[in-house]
Amino acid sequence: DTGVSQNPRHKITKRGQNVTFRCDPISEHNRLYWYRQTLGQGPEFLTYFQNEAQLEKSRLLSDRFSAERPKGSFSTLEIQRTEQGDSAMYLCASSLGGGGRKNTEAFFGQGTRLTVV
Amino acid sequence: KQEVTQIPAALSVPEGENLVLNCSFTDSAIYNLQWFRQDPGKGLTSLLLIQSSQREQTSGRLNASLDKSSGRSTLYIAASQPGDSATYLCAVRKINNAGNMLTFGGGTRLMVKP
Repeated sequence: DTGVSQNPRHKITKRGQNVTFRCDPISEHNRLYWYRQTLGQGPEFLTYFQNEAQLEKSRLLSDRFSAERPKGSFSTLEIQRTEQGDSAMYLCASSLGGGGRKNTEAFFGQGTRLTVV
Repeated sequence: KQEVTQIPAALSVPEGENLVLNCSFTDSAIYNLQWFRQDPGKGLTSLLLIQSSQREQTSGRLNASLDKSSGRSTLYIAASQPGDSATYLCAVRKINNAGNMLTFGGGTRLMVKP
């Protein structure tokens, strides 16, 4: 396991379609984060999981967005009824922490670039 | 609410120059500050992480400083090379942020010309 893996790397979709992205964290990491980055801006936090529990969600995460981490390993981020404003890079990161574990820094994947046309 | 600002937004320098990138944050109650590099269309690569109790960290030609009381950090790049061209992002983690979420600045786009 060499790092955080995200699939697909690029996704082009028509407005109104649903899309799903996948993130595979570093295997021993119990925490997983999703961020969104629009062109020319820094990443913005969307949500994070500790094991399979989704512990925090940003107000940026509208009801069209849903994230899951069913077995505490990989995670999926689904966007329903996509809009042009959803076009962005979606970044996943993972780390260790909580439950008495020492917190480690977060390691980021290569991202999924979504273009809604 | 924590806000992170990076100045300048873009910078172009000739190869060999020493340069300084600036990062400021509004809430000094931070756990740590991290500098990242991002190449076009790629993810983030961590460069340096400074804990709140530290003043600076060094890695090769990079040196990052932290002045928590004034809410400032600088990233110093010595003897810049064309391969250093990228966007540099700083991010802070709050003290009571149990989840390790990061607040990012907007980045500085660096171009080093040969």
